[in-house]
Amino acid sequence: NAGVTQTPKFQVLKTGQSMTLQCAQDMNHNSMYWYRQDPGMGLRLIYYSASEGTTDKGEVPNGYNVSRLNKREFSLRLESAAPSQTSVYFCASSIRLAGATDTQYFGPGTRLTVL
Amino acid sequence: QKEVEQNSGPLSVPEGAIASLNCTYSDRGSQSFFWYRQYSGKSPELIMFIYSNGDKEDGRFTAQLNKASQYVSLLIRDSQPSDSATYLCASYYGQNFVFGPGTRLSVLP
Repeated sequence: NAGVTQTPKFQVLKTGQSMTLQCAQDMNHNSMYWYRQDPGMGLRLIYYSASEGTTDKGEVPNGYNVSRLNKREFSLRLESAAPSQTSVYFCASSIRLAGATDTQYFGPGTRLTVL
Repeated sequence: QKEVEQNSGPLSVPEGAIASLNCTYSDRGSQSFFWYRQYSGKSPELIMFIYSNGDKEDGRFTAQLNKASQYVSLLIRDSQPSDSATYLCASYYGQNFVFGPGTRLSVLP
């Protein structure tokens, strides 16, 4: 049981290049999320997917697109990278605990630098 | 705009002391609250969650929730140097989690 996995771990892009960050979970969770984390700003939600086939914008969606390929996989695409997208990107998945609340688990993160 | 606020710290406590971390939230509709620990360069790791008023204990950790005051806290008893990390508070409402900026805790040997 690997939990939430992300690839790549590190990436350097030039302004204007595109790339896709991959995320997969093997915990059979319905909901998946993409966050970015910048110094002093905490985690900010980019997009989330409540179930396979659905996606919704979060707090900072501009410049990003997502695909919920199936229940396991949720990818984040940067079509034309900008230096402002330099950040650490975390994928997470969540499950509703019996009679309680959704609880979220995080992947190891992708450190992206845009030059 | 749903917000979660935390003192960024650093909060320094001596080894063996009680560390007290605080968090306030703006949305009264928030249903539950989470504390995550994040070591430098690592991903957030869930410590515990709470959704009822009062205290919830798990080992050396106690979470406290006061919905009337919109206040959540985390107490760490017998603090160890290995507890030195950033602690993130998060609220949950309607399929969305809102995170605070985190409080950096330093436990001094």
